[in-house]
Amino acid sequence: DAKTTQPPSMDCAEGRAANLPCNHSTISGNEYVYWYRQIHSQGPQYIIHGLKNNETNEMASLIITEDRKSSTLILPHATLRDTAVYYCIVREATWGKLQFGAGTQVVVTP
Amino acid sequence: NAGVMQNPRHLVRRRGQEARLRCSPMKGHSHVYWYRQLPEEGLKFMVYLQKENIIDESGMPKERFSAEFPKEGPSILRIQQVVRGDSAAYFCASSATSGGDRNEQFFGPGTRLTVL
Repeated sequence: DAKTTQPPSMDCAEGRAANLPCNHSTISGNEYVYWYRQIHSQGPQYIIHGLKNNETNEMASLIITEDRKSSTLILPHATLRDTAVYYCIVREATWGKLQFGAGTQVVVTP
Repeated sequence: NAGVMQNPRHLVRRRGQEARLRCSPMKGHSHVYWYRQLPEEGLKFMVYLQKENIIDESGMPKERFSAEFPKEGPSILRIQQVVRGDSAAYFCASSATSGGDRNEQFFGPGTRLTVL
């Protein structure tokens, strides 16, 4: 049973920021929000994760609402190589498995 | 630092044969996970192993599928008497620890199994 809800698809213009929403209204206090992406036919790639605070790394930024019921992944300057399925996953950091939902198919266009 | 390696990348088997998929985790990683992606479907967790131990096999089919991660050598996902429905991409991932704040899983390129 999915713990997250994401839009099935979205388009983004190359060079613009891509804002990917995720709802996780049943998240518990010890669960993290993880983001992975899967470029066509490749293995998934870790992007970023967070618990309460906003996070930023070289790939993206993660904005988590104060009530933690939703979050947004931001790709600051989308490129054509960012075209992929993006997965928002809620999990306890101490537990191994990742439960992938359907994700959001992001298409970056020139 | 080599990433997660899987071989073979493509495997073709006839119905009833056995398939062996191998996964070498990243250097220093002792936790291995197997996932399956059926055509046009999402990734599904199968099994989680540490060295010589199965930690979570809640996603493994009850029959014909087994996994091991011996003290030495790669992790092996074994499918006996394959059927056409086993045709899928099988991904392996590894991580350094099972706990703590940093527990990213790093994925391999996958093995594409085709059952004729």
